[in-house]
Amino acid sequence: DTGVSQNPRHKITKRGQNVTFRCDPISEHNRLYWYRQTLGQGPEFLTYFQNEAQLEKSRLLSDRFSAERPKGSFSTLEIQRTEQGDSAMYLCASKIDPGAEAFFGQGTRLTVV
Amino acid sequence: DAKTTQPTSMDCAEGRAANLPCNHSTISGNEYVYWYRQIHSQGPQYIIHGLKNNETNEMASLIITEDRKSSTLILPHATLRDTAVYYCIVIGGKNSGYALNFGKGTSLLVTP
Repeated sequence: DTGVSQNPRHKITKRGQNVTFRCDPISEHNRLYWYRQTLGQGPEFLTYFQNEAQLEKSRLLSDRFSAERPKGSFSTLEIQRTEQGDSAMYLCASKIDPGAEAFFGQGTRLTVV
Repeated sequence: DAKTTQPTSMDCAEGRAANLPCNHSTISGNEYVYWYRQIHSQGPQYIIHGLKNNETNEMASLIITEDRKSSTLILPHATLRDTAVYYCIVIGGKNSGYALNFGKGTSLLVTP
């Protein structure tokens, strides 16, 4: 197992376009998290899944954001009608149970121009 | 989750111990203290966690005060590769998802 994988690593898009990111967690990790990180700040929680169920969403997750985790495996994060303020690093993490350590991917860096 | 307070930045000479403090005075009895670090342009990496007792692993030691209101992460022999932002996070208890509240962390610079 090579750890949490995120694709693409970098994405440049024009304002107003839709983008989708993918996260492949470590096998058998039933919990999956999405975070957003802007320059100079720590990562901020967006949402998390337990298996295929999305159990918690942050207030940061506006209506333009949607996340899915079909069949409890990989997850996608879609941003519709991107804005310049969406430019950030989007991080995915997975863990096997509530108290365990979380493993993070390398992130997807989004630039909205 | 309890809020944590960390110094913004610290320096440490290579080969010396790096002691990173964290205050968490509002911690609840069933909340854990976790430490993660983030090296530039990489995702955060787990270091260590503890509840009451001091903990040690191959990366670091975690010293938690008896009243649990503060803790110290110790990197016993810091190397240049330990230069990173270190986050002290308190989670658990009623937090159903155990999502991590990173804050701004401590930027540690290890110098030659």
